Amino acid sequence: GQQVMQIPQYQHVQEGEDFTTYCNSSTTLSNIQWYKQRPGGHPVFLIQLVKSGEVKKQKRLTFQFGEAKKNSSLHITATQTTDVGTYFCVGALRSGTYKYIFGTGTRLKVLA
Amino acid sequence: EAGVVQSPRYKIIEKKQPVAFWCNPISGHNTLYWYRQNLGQGPELLIRYENEEAVDDSQLPKDRFSAERLKGVDSTLKIQPAELGDSAVYLCASSSPLYGYTFGSGTRLTVV
Repeated sequence: GQQVMQIPQYQHVQEGEDFTTYCNSSTTLSNIQWYKQRPGGHPVFLIQLVKSGEVKKQKRLTFQFGEAKKNSSLHITATQTTDVGTYFCVGALRSGTYKYIFGTGTRLKVLA
Repeated sequence: EAGVVQSPRYKIIEKKQPVAFWCNPISGHNTLYWYRQNLGQGPELLIRYENEEAVDDSQLPKDRFSAERLKGVDSTLKIQPAELGDSAVYLCASSSPLYGYTFGSGTRLTVV
């Protein structure tokens, strides 16, 4: 079946270091979304990428969608302790209506 | 906009007892989802509604789980009887094409 894998599963970084999580789909996606879930919280929508090769920035966060629309990345520059949480990508497949597949998530710890 | 509202926030029950969760999605969002999230894992889709129709319930354990969305707005998810392995956070979400999922705060279920 369709799968969306994320790597790494866990990442510990020192505050100020950069962080990247990668998302790979077994099938071509219609779009991809990124969510952040703080410990004890619920996933919160960050961004949606639709176009092949799209790059979007939100302050220190940079999101990319691959040319083949099968992979994506989230890069955080100069991490802060507030970046702690689990980052999920969610791939959307369109077959009539949309079907969403959650990635496995990357848990980020930032050490002060 | 109130967001997705879920209740209760926490529930502790003994195994074999029934339990019900309630969700009120964002006004105007026709698509409603129930997810289950185990500790350290990503959300797992249980059921997806388009208005009052369940269009994807392939992951719903139908022997003990049931859901309804009678008027295409509020939804309830029921487990009867609950088992120890049902302990998890149950998340409700609604979605829009531009802004992805909006999740409720979830119901943390503990079965003892």
